[in-house]
Amino acid sequence: EAGVTQSPTHLIKTRGQQATLRCSPISGHTSVYWYQQALGLGLQFLLWYDEGEERNRGNFPPRFSGRQFPNYSSELNVNALELEDSALYLCASRSYNEQFFGPGTRLTVL
Amino acid sequence: GQQVMQIPQYQHVQEGEDFTTYCNSSTTLSNIQWYKQRPGGHPVFLIQLVKSGEVKKQKRLTFQFGEAKKNSSLHITATQTTDVGTYFCAGAAGNNRKLIWGLGTSLAVNP
Repeated sequence: EAGVTQSPTHLIKTRGQQATLRCSPISGHTSVYWYQQALGLGLQFLLWYDEGEERNRGNFPPRFSGRQFPNYSSELNVNALELEDSALYLCASRSYNEQFFGPGTRLTVL
Repeated sequence: GQQVMQIPQYQHVQEGEDFTTYCNSSTTLSNIQWYKQRPGGHPVFLIQLVKSGEVKKQKRLTFQFGEAKKNSSLHITATQTTDVGTYFCAGAAGNNRKLIWGLGTSLAVNP
């Protein structure tokens, strides 16, 4: 069974640009979670999608947004990038209560 | 809002020593999960505790859920270099499927 996949692996942008990160959940999983993990810090909850709808969002500004497609894959969009947005962005899909994480996208904002 | 505090933030041990990390929630939890993230890797699910006072073991790892379902601990007996990584607890309250994560405990093991 294929795991959660994320693309791209690395992304380098400059301040003010927009970034799009993608996630494909494990087949059969309908829930997708997005987290931000800044260097040396824990996981900060960003967004939760289930069955195509946004169920909850963390304490992040509106320039962080996303969507879930009919095939349950998901996109995270970050507009007007700031230096502090540099982090590892992790996507997870859920089976019952357990979350399965993808390898992450390392976003660097210069 | 709901918070999960995890201590210590860092722990450095000699191989063979024991290690414990603790989680405390500001609210009663319906369940608590533990994850391990190896350096450069992503979090991997270890275990879920649901019942008050529950204790589960996985080889050298012992997980406990407090009687009040507001705290939990992970104890590793006789650490090995393969135990290196960051251990996260994550709790859920009620029927909420959004996990509240602790900041993690980073474990370093000297061979």
